[in-house]
Amino acid sequence: NAGVMQNPRHLVRRRGQEARLRCSPMKGHSHVYWYRQLPEEGLKFMVYLQKENIIDESGMPKERFSAEFPKEGPSILRIQQVVRGDSAAYFCASSPQGQEAFFGQGTRLTVV
Amino acid sequence: QQQVKQSPQSLIVQKGGISIINCAYENTAFDYFPWYQQFPGKGPALLIAIRPDVSEKKEGRFTISFNKSAKQFSLHIMDSQPGDSATYFCAASMSPTSGTYKYIFGTGTRLKVLA
Repeated sequence: NAGVMQNPRHLVRRRGQEARLRCSPMKGHSHVYWYRQLPEEGLKFMVYLQKENIIDESGMPKERFSAEFPKEGPSILRIQQVVRGDSAAYFCASSPQGQEAFFGQGTRLTVV
Repeated sequence: QQQVKQSPQSLIVQKGGISIINCAYENTAFDYFPWYQQFPGKGPALLIAIRPDVSEKKEGRFTISFNKSAKQFSLHIMDSQPGDSATYFCAASMSPTSGTYKYIFGTGTRLKVLA
């Protein structure tokens, strides 16, 4: 049973470009979470999704950030018009029922 | 109220010693407390988790102690090994009365086990 798959592992974007991060949950998991980790800091919750629904987006910045988890395919975290402050590691986690979460290896976004 | 306070920030332990990391919370609605281990460049890996109806849970060399009245929980790593050198995060979440299981993470403890 493969773990949570995130791609790309590393992403470099110039300021103003769009970043698109993908997450395929573990088989049988219908709950997906996105967290952001700044260097030398803990993980901060961004958004919680179930298939086709955003359940909690209280941690998402109001502008430029969006997330989706379509009926088919991976969950996508999209960052428009990236700025240097968006540079961070973005982790996806999946869960079978909601509470026990398994994390992927992350996407390390660098904005230059 | 949503914070989870973790200490110490860093910890150095001799091989074979006991590593102890502490976390404290305020919100009594939290009902699930996992610990994660993270190596540099990797994602957090679930180590062990506990619920408030249990005071202690042990898995191999890892033990969680939970004090509900003090709103504190701790991770004990027995017989610490150099391979345990990593950053450890505690977290807390609550049943979704508000519709979410999101985790509130502590700030992490960087553990170094000396050979």
